[in-house]
Amino acid sequence: KAGVTQTPRYLIKTRGQQVTLSCSPISGHRSVSWYQQTPGQGLQFLFEYFSETQRNKGNFPGRFSGRQFSNSRSEMNVSTLELGDSALYLCASSFWGSSHEQYFGPGTRLTVT
Amino acid sequence: EDKVVQSPLSLVVHEGDTVTLNCSYEVTNFRSLLWYKQEKKAPTFLFMLTSSGIEKKSGRLSSILDKKELFSILNITATQTGDSAVYLCAVDPGNAGNMLTFGGGTRLMVKP
Repeated sequence: KAGVTQTPRYLIKTRGQQVTLSCSPISGHRSVSWYQQTPGQGLQFLFEYFSETQRNKGNFPGRFSGRQFSNSRSEMNVSTLELGDSALYLCASSFWGSSHEQYFGPGTRLTVT
Repeated sequence: EDKVVQSPLSLVVHEGDTVTLNCSYEVTNFRSLLWYKQEKKAPTFLFMLTSSGIEKKSGRLSSILDKKELFSILNITATQTGDSAVYLCAVDPGNAGNMLTFGGGTRLMVKP
C-alpha cells in the first residue's frame, strides 16, 4: 500500500505570495491532519479534515486554510506569506482519526524569502 | 495553554549505551501520550500510552507513563547508530479526531 505523499517536496516563495500544498493520504484513509515544523516552535498542529469537513483547528492565523476533497486528498493554502512561514509542512493520514494510527508524509519544505 | 516539554534537548552516546528520554506535560485534557521517531522527514510511530505504570516494549525500546506526576520516559538499551534520530513526544487530548500537541524533541546521536 502506498504511503502518504506530499507535493511539492520543496518550494521557494517570496513574501506576500500565496502557496498551495497538497497531500494524498493512504488509500482508504479519511482523516488528514496538517502540522508545521520549525526549529523554534517544533511540530505544531494546523488543522484536521475528516470526510471533507474541518474537525479540529490549531492556533494559527486565518492566512492558513485548508480543504479536503471527496477522494480524501487535502490541500492547505497559505496566503500573504511571511518569512516566519518558512517551515516543514507535514501531513498525516489515518482511517478514523485515531492519533496512534497516523501515518506521516515526507513533508513539504517551504522557504519564504 | 497545553505544554509538552522534552529533555534533554540533545544527547550524544556511544553504541551499546542505554539512554533515557524524558517527556513532561501540562494539558487540559488527556487521552494518551505518544512517542514518535523522526529520522529524516516523516515521524514514525513508536508507542501509545494511556495507563500509568504499564510498560510498553518493542525490542530494545520501552516506555512508561506516570499520569500522577505527568511524565513519560522512553528507554533505549544497547543503542545502535540506527537509533540516531529526533524523538518526539506528543499528547492526544481526546477531542474527536487527531490534534496532537508535540514536545520540542530530543535529538539523539549514537556514535560507533
